[in-house]
Amino acid sequence: DTGVSQDPRHKITKRGQNVTFRCDPISEHNRLYWYRQTLGQGPEFLTYFQNEAQLEKSRLLSDRFSAERPKGSFSTLEIQRTEQGDSAMYLCASSLFAGAAETQYFGPGTRLLVL
Amino acid sequence: DAKTTQPPSMDCAEGRAANLPCNHSTISGNEYVYWYRQIHSQGPQYIIHGLKNNETNEMASLIITEDRKSSTLILPHATLRDTAVYYCIVRPNNNAGNMLTFGGGTRLMVKP
Repeated sequence: DTGVSQDPRHKITKRGQNVTFRCDPISEHNRLYWYRQTLGQGPEFLTYFQNEAQLEKSRLLSDRFSAERPKGSFSTLEIQRTEQGDSAMYLCASSLFAGAAETQYFGPGTRLLVL
Repeated sequence: DAKTTQPPSMDCAEGRAANLPCNHSTISGNEYVYWYRQIHSQGPQYIIHGLKNNETNEMASLIITEDRKSSTLILPHATLRDTAVYYCIVRPNNNAGNMLTFGGGTRLMVKP
């Protein structure tokens, strides 16, 4: 499978614990996006990378959230001191930006439940 | 980014064409129309996009009005597996981040 992959697919944690999610983009895609989706809502943008540089962060990305893409390939999203309000599906998308129409392809998501 | 308006839900009979409308009356000249769908508990799936001209691929057709203020996604022969939430998104293509802004979408129910 050459699509976007995410790991783990499901995570249950207790309030206050730290969690880390991983996203592997489509090979050679230079942009990687993170979104969050709560029940019954559409996905909301969190942050994006072009190669290894994090270029934009949403107001939704509180200081408990941190994302990295150290070598411009896979990315991690860490949530520290989780809260029940962090329960959501975390989606990763990648794209090849080359100055023309840029299409994002999504992974299957990581579903987080904070107890 | 321009806002879009979609009906919250639609039904379609299996085997018939599903025509999903989208209004984007404030679209700008450099904004593309993108369609994604999301089947329950899965990540959004890219369907098709267009700027001015009508587009067709193996999944669907996209019809954009001449004034670009609205568009229609057509699934020519809907199957039960097409039951999903369909999102119409308008978005510029520029050097800045092209994040997608999802609205409520249309929940399409394909019935036998």
